[in-house]
Amino acid sequence: GNSVTQMEGPVTLSEEAFLTINCTYTATGYPSLFWYVQYPGEGLQLLLKATKADDKGSNKGFEATYRKETTSFHLEKGSVQVSDSAVYFCALSGPSGNTPLVFGKGTRLSVIA
Amino acid sequence: KAGVTQTPRYLIKTRGQQVTLSCSPISGHRSVSWYQQTPGQGLQFLFEYFSETQRNKGNFPGRFSGRQFSNSRSEMNVSTLELGDSALYLCASSLDYSATNGYTFGSGTRLTVV
Repeated sequence: GNSVTQMEGPVTLSEEAFLTINCTYTATGYPSLFWYVQYPGEGLQLLLKATKADDKGSNKGFEATYRKETTSFHLEKGSVQVSDSAVYFCALSGPSGNTPLVFGKGTRLSVIA
Repeated sequence: KAGVTQTPRYLIKTRGQQVTLSCSPISGHRSVSWYQQTPGQGLQFLFEYFSETQRNKGNFPGRFSGRQFSNSRSEMNVSTLELGDSALYLCASSLDYSATNGYTFGSGTRLTVV
């Protein structure tokens, strides 16, 4: 079945450092890929998405490119801020969009000033 | 525009009791999904409803059930509570049953079973 594997955390970075959170997936066909973010005490918020191979999703300085050849969707940001401290989840939905979102375990990011 | 509203925010129940959680989706959204979030297992899919019909169900015991009403509001029920049911229960809504456009999540109901 569909599954998502993302790097274990926690990840601790200094402000303005470069961020990469790795995400790989297993799925049949061409799933849609997502990154969600969860701030303390809140639900998940959609950060970005990509629905086909080579698509790049971007939002708030974060980017991720859908790589079919490596089945990956790594999240990157050039310069993190303290306000980016949160838990980040990689997720996928089946090719037809008719299957529920499957999430990775989440990666906790702490950014220190 | 109001977001996804989950009530209550916090619950403490005793083993063996039952509990009902409520979710009001964004106005116009017809699909509601439920997830259980725990530190050990992460986010696990419970079930999904669209137009009052259950479309998908996760791998949870029959003690977990849900329903959706004609106004798209949804409830989930857990009977005979166990300690392991302690978790954050998240509800998510979307316009239709396709997850391609992403879900909008509520802030969750934190259930503690003692």
